[in-house]
Amino acid sequence: EAGVVQSPRYKIIEKKQPVAFWCNPISGHNTLYWYRQNLGQGPELLIRYENEEAVDDSQLPKDRFSAERLKGVDSTLKIQPAELGDSAVYLCASSSPTLAGGDTDTQYFGPGTRLTVL
Amino acid sequence: QKEVEQNSGPLSVPEGAIASLNCTYSDRGSQSFFWYRQYSGKSPELIMFIYSNGDKEDGRFTAQLNKASQYVSLLIRDSQPSDSATYLCAVNRGSTLGRLYFGRGTQLTVWP
Repeated sequence: EAGVVQSPRYKIIEKKQPVAFWCNPISGHNTLYWYRQNLGQGPELLIRYENEEAVDDSQLPKDRFSAERLKGVDSTLKIQPAELGDSAVYLCASSSPTLAGGDTDTQYFGPGTRLTVL
Repeated sequence: QKEVEQNSGPLSVPEGAIASLNCTYSDRGSQSFFWYRQYSGKSPELIMFIYSNGDKEDGRFTAQLNKASQYVSLLIRDSQPSDSATYLCAVNRGSTLGRLYFGRGTQLTVWP
């Protein structure tokens, strides 16, 4: 079974430039997450999708960040314009309710996109 | 107070020893708990999850949960150099199912 796919793996841009990240979740996973991980820190949630609907975007800096998940499969996260402080690893994860039917949604992470803003 | 706190580390143990990683969380209503392993430059990889008080064993790994003390731990028996990584504790709060709150991780080094 293929895992979560992300691209690009690395991106270097100058501040004020736009950038976009793409994610393809595990087949059949209806929940998709975007996290940001700063160096030496744990991942922090930016946005969570249930199918096409963004159900938790409270931590997404909406002045410069946007995301979409058309057709409830692939997702794109965009930053415009990028700032120096946006340098981080952007992780996409997906999940599906466990076979036991519990509330525990085990999240599987993609390889991430390492963004450097100069 | 942070949502999830982990012992600061780094933790260094010899090969074959038991490594003990600890995590506390602030929300008493938290329902499920995860341990992820993250190698340098890689993404987090799920090791175990636990949601009932007590111990849960999987091979060399044992997760322990004490909800009364708001404490979760991971024991790694017979530690191997390949276990050297950062271990992230993550908590799924009951009020926001789906969102994981991560600690900053504990770096473990197993030396031969």
